[in-house]
Amino acid sequence: NAGVTQTPKFQVLKTGQSMTLQCAQDMNHNSMYWYRQDPGMGLRLIYYSASEGTTDKGEVPNGYNVSRLNKREFSLRLESAAPSQTSVYFCASSARTGGDYGYTFGSGTRLTVV
Amino acid sequence: AQSVAQPEDQVNVAEGNPLTVKCTYSVSGNPYLFWYVQYPNRGLQFLLKYITGDNLVKGSYGFEAEFNKSQTSFHLKKPSALVSDSALYFCAVSPRSGAGSYQLTFGKGTKLSVIP
Repeated sequence: NAGVTQTPKFQVLKTGQSMTLQCAQDMNHNSMYWYRQDPGMGLRLIYYSASEGTTDKGEVPNGYNVSRLNKREFSLRLESAAPSQTSVYFCASSARTGGDYGYTFGSGTRLTVV
Repeated sequence: AQSVAQPEDQVNVAEGNPLTVKCTYSVSGNPYLFWYVQYPNRGLQFLLKYITGDNLVKGSYGFEAEFNKSQTSFHLKKPSALVSDSALYFCAVSPRSGAGSYQLTFGKGTKLSVIP
């Protein structure tokens, strides 16, 4: 089925470890996003990529890096994980930036940092 | 910067009764407005959006929302609630242009529980 695929679905890291969350979409969308979801705080934008070859910071970028590998793939990297990064991470895509286009979300990655 | 307020963390409603999930927003200029639903351990799913035109927007699963510019509100409604509507609901806003138009800003979410 067409959509946004995130891997892994679950991950436990020790403080200081690094990891990369993968995201791929097959809808030929131009724009991709990484959000984190924390209880009582809704979704907060970490980074986004308006189009292939561009990335920009969102509301909470500290401690993260991203790579727009190609039009399909947008990865999120934690270089040195901290307990504060325990969260559920969602990748999303849209045809383009510009709020009249809705987002399609992946099913999320639940990350625990101990 | 734009913002969204969902004043109720939780809404409880009896099955068959009408439901309302409230949303107010703050944005420069005219907004694009969205509602998304999240079922347990799932990603967010699109319900409906207001872009322009009729202030009453109809969406998936019998949901509708009314855009009220003077009150800066976009409340989600359904005439008759189902137990299967129990989920977490998010309102989101984006300005039509200028700063912040690249993204949707989400509210904190409202947990809807429909009681059999």
